Amino acid sequence: KNEVEQSPQNLTAQEGEFITINCSYSVGISALHWLQQHPGGGIVSLFMLSSGKKKHGRLIATINIQEKHSSLHITASHPRDSAVYICAVIPNTGNQFYFGTGTSLTVIP
Amino acid sequence: DAGITQSPRHKVTETGTPVTLRCHQTENHRYMYWYRQDPGHGLRLIHYSYGVKDTDKGEVSDGYSVSRSKTEDFLLTLESATSSQTSVYFCAISESSFDEQFFGPGTRLTVL
Repeated sequence: KNEVEQSPQNLTAQEGEFITINCSYSVGISALHWLQQHPGGGIVSLFMLSSGKKKHGRLIATINIQEKHSSLHITASHPRDSAVYICAVIPNTGNQFYFGTGTSLTVIP
Repeated sequence: DAGITQSPRHKVTETGTPVTLRCHQTENHRYMYWYRQDPGHGLRLIHYSYGVKDTDKGEVSDGYSVSRSKTEDFLLTLESATSSQTSVYFCAISESSFDEQFFGPGTRLTVL
């Protein structure tokens, strides 16, 4: 049983394309976290949100608590955006994150 | 970047040997976590700590123990390493259980 599902698992895009990565979860949550991991690299926090929308540069994260769904959008994608994007949730009942298996994004010049 | 370091960064060891991984933070965060990352799985929590000498198990704690004698250090020990413990291990910190987590650079462990 996986509390967090991401789609797609793999995504290839041309430079400049608008990209959407989806995250669905099955438990009530207090917050959702989007993370980025470059190949062979460490894990970087992108957003933490519990409602609405957040924007940072070309990245936008939205969450719909009622539908138990979040999306991460990348506008004007660039090859340096190539990475694995990971969704994680903190359930209301606990203090541990549950992680999705990640979406591997490749942006081709 | 948050001040988190892990040591060693790479280690190769043999089955049956004890291994200790160290996580060190300079942020004075209360919570510290150990995860393992394997292909096909999301990050999985091994153990976490919510204060000095206060620890609890995660979903994959069998075969692992932890200790936290100082705020800044969180040690993960494999008492007798097995090949199934070959993985990349990440340490993370957060101010509270509801705050975002900041990750260390990871330790790649290979058990032969």
